[in-house]
Amino acid sequence: QKEVEQDPGPLSVPEGAIVSLNCTYSNSAFQYFMWYRQYSRKGPELLMYTYSSGNKEDGRFTAQVDKSSKYISLFIRDSQPSDSATYLCAMMNYGGSQGNLIFGKGTKLSVKP
Amino acid sequence: GAVVSQHPSRVICKSGTSVKIECRSLDFQATTMFWYRQFPKQSLMLMATSNEGSKATYEQGVEKDKFLINHASLTLSTLTVTSAHPEDSSFYICSASGDGLTDTQYFGPGTRLTVL
Repeated sequence: QKEVEQDPGPLSVPEGAIVSLNCTYSNSAFQYFMWYRQYSRKGPELLMYTYSSGNKEDGRFTAQVDKSSKYISLFIRDSQPSDSATYLCAMMNYGGSQGNLIFGKGTKLSVKP
Repeated sequence: GAVVSQHPSRVICKSGTSVKIECRSLDFQATTMFWYRQFPKQSLMLMATSNEGSKATYEQGVEKDKFLINHASLTLSTLTVTSAHPEDSSFYICSASGDGLTDTQYFGPGTRLTVL
């Protein structure tokens, strides 16, 4: 079993829809959880950063972490065509080096106008 | 937010040549820089971690003599792919951390390497 599992999609939604992106993980030691957005041929851009369990909201984006289920989610409200990108979840155990950031494969999202 | 640049954004080279990729943190001092490789439809894979003034720490399976990493200053790290082969063709991405806030990694835009 891979440490981080993420459905690669592609996921296609109409403009204005609520998008739900998810990752599951197996390592209960993970404490820091991130969501990155990666446009085609570009480097990942940090969207959300969450420590431990709970919710975090930033504009149209909400990140949820459920450590008991080893499940994290990113919700995008009122999705826009500009949200079309690949979304990568990432997580790490801060007990290790900073570089011990494990990524999911990414979910490709397409928001249709 | 913190900005990380990479140069070049794209490079095409002949097999057997060496290619140098630069990674710069533009508005913060990066105590640690990371180099990743990303193959199509695959996740980012960490190649090595470098701290300023120290030797890089390579991940298992990454040849340190082939992928030379230098982190000579708090704002610059370089990755040199020596004697490149077509199988080295990939998207190389650096990231930097050490902005003193969350130690979050900020990623560069990536370098597309194509070895003919």
